[in-house]
Amino acid sequence: NAGVTQTPKFQVLKTGQSMTLQCAQDMNHEYMSWYRQDPGMGLRLIHYSVGAGITDQGEVPNGYNVSRSTTEDFPLRLLSAAPSQTSVYFCASSYSSRGQETQYFGPGTRLLVL
Amino acid sequence: DAKTTQPPSMDCAEGRAANLPCNHSTISGNEYVYWYRQIHSQGPQYIIHGLKNNETNEMASLIITEDRKSSTLILPHATLRDTAVYYCIVEDQGAQKLVFGQGTRLTINP
Repeated sequence: NAGVTQTPKFQVLKTGQSMTLQCAQDMNHEYMSWYRQDPGMGLRLIHYSVGAGITDQGEVPNGYNVSRSTTEDFPLRLLSAAPSQTSVYFCASSYSSRGQETQYFGPGTRLLVL
Repeated sequence: DAKTTQPPSMDCAEGRAANLPCNHSTISGNEYVYWYRQIHSQGPQYIIHGLKNNETNEMASLIITEDRKSSTLILPHATLRDTAVYYCIVEDQGAQKLVFGQGTRLTINP
């Protein structure tokens, strides 16, 4: 298994540009989520999904959209990038949203918005 | 807001046991204690979790006080590769919405 994969690893955007961060998992996990991590800070939840076709907002959803058309993929879209969205983005998945399931994290995407 | 309090940093000698404390005085009865760690620039990695009994796995031990208001993660024989930020997280078993605080930066010294 490749686990949780994220692309790209690095991205530089100009203010106002849009882009999609890709996340995929091959473990047949129901639950997937996106976090952002600013320098020196812990992770903050952006959006999450408990299964295909179901998404919900986390702590910091503004400026981001998600969709979950398949079990494997959970892309994160930045609609109009702002410097405040400069961060490291982590995708995570777990087998189920029920019970105390271990979450598996991807390697992260480092985004710089100029 | 994170429901836990951890020291911002700790040091430990290689080969010794590293004991990382965590306070969670407002924990409720159905909330679990999770520990994750993040090695520099990588995604967080699950270590262990527990409800009220002490737990042990191949990575660490988790000691939870009887009143559940605090816990300690123990790395029995710390190595240089254990240098990381360790996050103690309290969350409802069904929530799956981990709230990360700032964690403890553990440095293992040779």
